[in-house]
Amino acid sequence: DIQMTQSPSSLSASVGDRVTITCRASQSISRYLNWYQQKPGKAPKLLVYAASSLQSGVPSRFSGSGSGTDFTLTISSLQPEDFATYYCQQSYRTPYTFGQGTKVEIK
Amino acid sequence: QVQLQESGPGLVKPSQTLSLTCTVSGGSISSGNYYWSWIRQPAGKALEWIGRIYISGSTNYNPSLKSRVTISINTSKNQFSLKLTSVTAADTAVYYCARVMNYDGAFDIWGHGTMVTVSS
Repeated sequence: DIQMTQSPSSLSASVGDRVTITCRASQSISRYLNWYQQKPGKAPKLLVYAASSLQSGVPSRFSGSGSGTDFTLTISSLQPEDFATYYCQQSYRTPYTFGQGTKVEIK
Repeated sequence: QVQLQESGPGLVKPSQTLSLTCTVSGGSISSGNYYWSWIRQPAGKALEWIGRIYISGSTNYNPSLKSRVTISINTSKNQFSLKLTSVTAADTAVYYCARVMNYDGAFDIWGHGTMVTVSS
């Protein structure tokens, strides 16, 4: 299986901050990397697919980059509704695998 | 727009079979552009992919669960289903069904999730 490692596991930030979350794959996955946002008690929501394509309806303050083994999700200006847990997921090969999550908390 | 809804028992006894159904509304499950998938999440833990099915009936399963999992599809009812046999407390989780973008493999639409507890 392809292992996905996110960092950090959690972070504290203020409204308006620029936030970057990193995801590393245990082998090259080209650009088959997707990002999700999950709020407590809710299903995950797709934010970015294919490493950098913004899902329809997702605010432009979210962006993704990377290829191969290293990827980032950036929130350019953190908003109150962005406090949540974020997961990366590789879709290069089954079994699909997720990172362990990054919890973004209010500072 | 397309919506997914999970249904099934919320409580299953150890060693028995967990059975869930996902009903797709607002669109056809027979679209060739998508796979249909099950994912689960134990309380406070990360997401785990269980498996996927295509309209042809072709399936792929997580090897960690493969011996116990069956995913099937019923195009006439616009539903797909999950069966997980010989359950233990470790199978207690929120179970989600999701639509999978065929080319990119991203889960673009999710059900709300259903909590399944394994307990006697």
